[in-house]
Amino acid sequence: DGGITQSPKYLFRKEGQNVTLSCEQNLNHDAMYWYRQDPGQGLRLIYYSQIVNDFQKGDIAEGYSVSREKKESFPLTVTSAQKNPTAFYLCASSIQGQGRGEQYFGPGTRLTVT
Amino acid sequence: LAKTTQPISMDSYEGQEVNITCSHNNIATNDYITWYQQFPSQGPRFIIQGYKTKVTNEVASLFIPADRKSSTLSLPRVSLSDTAVYYCLVVASGGSYIPTFGRGTSLIVHP
Repeated sequence: DGGITQSPKYLFRKEGQNVTLSCEQNLNHDAMYWYRQDPGQGLRLIYYSQIVNDFQKGDIAEGYSVSREKKESFPLTVTSAQKNPTAFYLCASSIQGQGRGEQYFGPGTRLTVT
Repeated sequence: LAKTTQPISMDSYEGQEVNITCSHNNIATNDYITWYQQFPSQGPRFIIQGYKTKVTNEVASLFIPADRKSSTLSLPRVSLSDTAVYYCLVVASGGSYIPTFGRGTSLIVHP
């Protein structure tokens, strides 16, 4: 089965702790994305990567960090500098440079920081 | 990037046809119109994409007028399971692009 996996589905952390969210895809897609979604809101782009070992900040990158050491993996670290980390986090991937950029999304990780 | 405008919410009843319109006045020549569906606590799912006139698949139809400044997603005979948020995006063909999701349209289907 091809697709995107995110783990864990639910994550609880204490304030002041860094936490890393996992995202893996076996679709052989070049591009990967991280979004944040708050209740009743649309998706806001945190970071995106169009190729291995390269990534760019999205609209709300402050307090987050990413790495792209492998094509299939794009982990997101929520650092203690993120003021309001509690949210629903979505990872996506797409073919880059061809086609019309249809994005495939993972099931999401719901992070709660108290 | 072309900005899109769509209604915040819509209500319908089971068995009715639902049409959700999206405005994209500054769409570029090489832009495609794409719609996604999102259920609560899940990632969005691609529904349909088109460039002009009409596109139909097993889930929905997409109507795009000649000037392409708007588009209409049509869901035939909706059921309770169609209750979801629907996002309209304008994306460039080929090359790199960063899709921007607005708040979408929250569709509630009543029994």
